[in-house]
Amino acid sequence: QITLKEPGPTLVKPTQTLTLTCTFSGFSLSTSGVGVGWIRQPPGKALEWLALIYWDDDKRYSPSLKTRLSITKDTSKNQVVLTMTNMDPVDTATYFCAHIVVYPLSVGPDYWGQGTLVTVSS
Amino acid sequence: EIVMTQSPATLSVSPGERATLSCRASQSITTTYLTWYQQKPGQAPRLLIYGASTRATGIPARFSGSGSGTEFTLTISSLRSEDFAVYYCQQYNIWPWTFGQGTKVEIK
Repeated sequence: QITLKEPGPTLVKPTQTLTLTCTFSGFSLSTSGVGVGWIRQPPGKALEWLALIYWDDDKRYSPSLKTRLSITKDTSKNQVVLTMTNMDPVDTATYFCAHIVVYPLSVGPDYWGQGTLVTVSS
Repeated sequence: EIVMTQSPATLSVSPGERATLSCRASQSITTTYLTWYQQKPGQAPRLLIYGASTRATGIPARFSGSGSGTEFTLTISSLRSEDFAVYYCQQYNIWPWTFGQGTKVEIK
């Protein structure tokens, strides 16, 4: 059974750095074809991909946020960490992590965490 | 970036009726890399369809997907009360992966 979990609600001040840890179970991020990604959703708005990391440490970042994002994995702890610098109130959103399968059967993002609300306010 | 455009923004349907949701990509995408999700308030998206037409595990047969190239469709054959939600299409053919803006299926 695959599960992913993000931390509880977070309040950060403008210009601060956000660090989110996705803790997962039921799969290994050392398995070929597997990845974990981060997606966010501002209140009442659509979903937006932020970053993802694959089993082989290949990484992808949203072009519009690339300078502010960093994604890393700790395979031994079953965790993926997303860091976003210079937070702004427009970054207020629910942040989700998701399990991804691209090989051998490409399913894409299938299992998601429940999401965590990040509020940026002074 | 591939822009995914969903229509209509809101679809008012009576229980038992058929719902047809559209998703258009700004450039052709490989069918393998098109998914549909259902999202209810306060919940994470739930995978319904991958590969444009394959139902994910546990998804009822009333949900079906079709299409290719730039035009894709999600059909719910006979709406049940639990199907009223927001539906998103997503392409993961070319990074950055992108979602449509969603179609809200509401009770008529």
